[in-house]
Parts: sequence; C-alpha cells; structure tokens
Amino acid sequence: AQKVTQAQTEISVVEKEDVTLDCVYETRDTTYYLFWYKQPPSGELVFLIRRNSFDEQNEISGRYSWNFQKSTSSFNFTITASQVVDSAVYFCALTRDSSYKLIFGSGTRLLVRP
Amino acid sequence: DVKVTQSSRYLVKRTGEKVFLECVQDMDHENMFWYRQDPGLGLRLIYFSYDVKMKEKGDIPEGYSVSREKKERFSLILESASTNQTSMYLCASSFLSGVLYEQYFGPGTRLTVT
Repeated sequence: AQKVTQAQTEISVVEKEDVTLDCVYETRDTTYYLFWYKQPPSGELVFLIRRNSFDEQNEISGRYSWNFQKSTSSFNFTITASQVVDSAVYFCALTRDSSYKLIFGSGTRLLVRP
Repeated sequence: DVKVTQSSRYLVKRTGEKVFLECVQDMDHENMFWYRQDPGLGLRLIYFSYDVKMKEKGDIPEGYSVSREKKERFSLILESASTNQTSMYLCASSFLSGVLYEQYFGPGTRLTVT
C-alpha cells in the first residue's frame, strides 16, 4: 500500500528563519513520483515540484529546496529565509507510475510571523 | 494560465437535500478529479474522470456520484446530504499524458450540512 506521512501538523517560525517540512513515504513500487503542493489561505493548491524515483538529485528553486533520499524514503522541503507570504498549508503527495491517483499526506500548516 | 473554477466558495445545505457541486476547467484537460479535504486527513479522492461520460471511483465514493457530460465540466452530486459530508471539496484537472502531469486545483467549496 502507498502512504505519505507528514508528522509536523503545524510549524511556527519568525520571518527570515529557515524551515524544513518533513515528508516520509511508503511504496512497494520501483517507479513512483513525489509532489509538493502549497495551499495558501485562498484555498487552491498550487503545484511546487514533481520528482521521479530515479532522480535523487536535490533541487533548488530560489528560496525553496528539496531533498529526496530513497534510503530513508523521505522527500523534505526547505524554505530558506522564510517570508510571511510563505504561510500556507503544504502537502506532500505520491503517485505510482501510470496512475492518476495522488496519495496526499495530511499536510503541514506553516505560519511565518513578522 | 490554467483556470479551474468551482460554482460556490461556501454552501450551506440541510440534511437530506440533493447537492450539486460544479467544476469547470478551461485548459482542455482530459482528467478531472473531486477530492474532499478534512483536518488531519489531507485530501482524499472521491471520484475521477478521464473522459466525457467516463468515471472511476476513488477512495471514498460512498454517498457521492458524479457526472461528466462535457469535457470541461465535472459535477459532484450528494444524493442525500448528511452531516458527515460537511467538508471542503476541491476539484482538480490535468492532462492525460502519462505521469508527466500535475493537477491544477480550483479554490474549493466549503460545504456545511446542518
């Protein structure tokens, strides 16, 4: 069975702090895809990144970076120098190859205080 | 920009009423999805559709049905609303093309059943 665990329910940081959101997944598939989505207060989820299981390179996009480690089944997300606009709920998700079905974690609510 | 719109942001209905939630996308996506989002549970798939008049059950289809008569429109129907269907409902769409896709989400409908 596939499963995604986001153990951090809520994180609160002060602006400019770095913050890491954890994501641990379970799957028996050898080919799978991992995603991060952001849900701001407006409600609609915004796609941030997709990573396939054969690509363990870390990715950096501006202040955002992702660390994918198959050995620990983790796909963690770090925001550097956090800003108030980063306040949102962040979801990690998993899908197997050739599947439309996303398995979501329970989400982590991030609050960045000025 | 992909746009996924949902007919209402907030809806209040009475137990036993038939409820229609409408979703429209403007990017000619083949796939459309309905999720419900509950605190601590993340997003759970109710139904999805990969073509007009085609549908497949997701993880929690009980108490729901769907209709897709046109490619751009996907409706979620609560045949007889119950209080345990009070939730946030999110619609999403994506291209059919294998796994190289991301889902685009609407802003959600917060449904309260009293």
